[in-house]
Amino acid sequence: EVQLVESGGGLVKPGGSLRLSCATSGFTFSSYSMNWVRQAPGKGLQWVSSISSGTSYIYYADSVKGRFTISRDNAKNSLYLQMNNLRAEDTAVYYCARGYGYKNLWGQGTLVTVSS
Amino acid sequence: EIVLTQSPGTLSLSPGERATLSCRASQSVSSNYLAWYQQKPGQAPRLLIYGASSRATGIPDRFSGSGSGTDFTLTISRLEPEDFAVYYCQQYGSSSPYTFGQGTKLEIK
Repeated sequence: EVQLVESGGGLVKPGGSLRLSCATSGFTFSSYSMNWVRQAPGKGLQWVSSISSGTSYIYYADSVKGRFTISRDNAKNSLYLQMNNLRAEDTAVYYCARGYGYKNLWGQGTLVTVSS
Repeated sequence: EIVLTQSPGTLSLSPGERATLSCRASQSVSSNYLAWYQQKPGQAPRLLIYGASSRATGIPDRFSGSGSGTDFTLTISRLEPEDFAVYYCQQYGSSSPYTFGQGTKLEIK
């Protein structure tokens, strides 16, 4: 079955860190660009970061640049997001999504709550 | 950065009616690289349309996309009960960031 499964979310204090993971299966992970997209409670979708299939190209939204790091392990078919210096405004469901332009496969999301 | 503005914010219609959702870009979207997604409460978004008018795999033909340049439209020809959801457009024609619109909520009248 083709799927993306996120994990690693939780409650963290402002200034803290968290590492999200996205385990993939059912397709050739190493052939696809991957992304993190987030959605704050009751709000719309916000692109966070993208990484190309061979990690040559990495992009970040301005709001997370310098604090978040996207990475992937093609041998483990997994995508990661290291989030440091977290802020209250980073509270959101974080989705892993496949695709360079349009995102044709999404995980179910993992909730990150930043609160003291 | 290209800003996408969706209208209306909320659309109230009845099953069987036709829905027309708009997505306007602040500058031309190159190669009509515009996608539409559907999101139901508690679920992840689902790709409906890419390249402005191509339906994704498994999407019913009552969903259609059109438009070019800065003006794009998602049309649902005859609403089914399961179509009531929030719809987002996204452009991927420019370099990063690939921005999303703010969404249109399609609710049952």
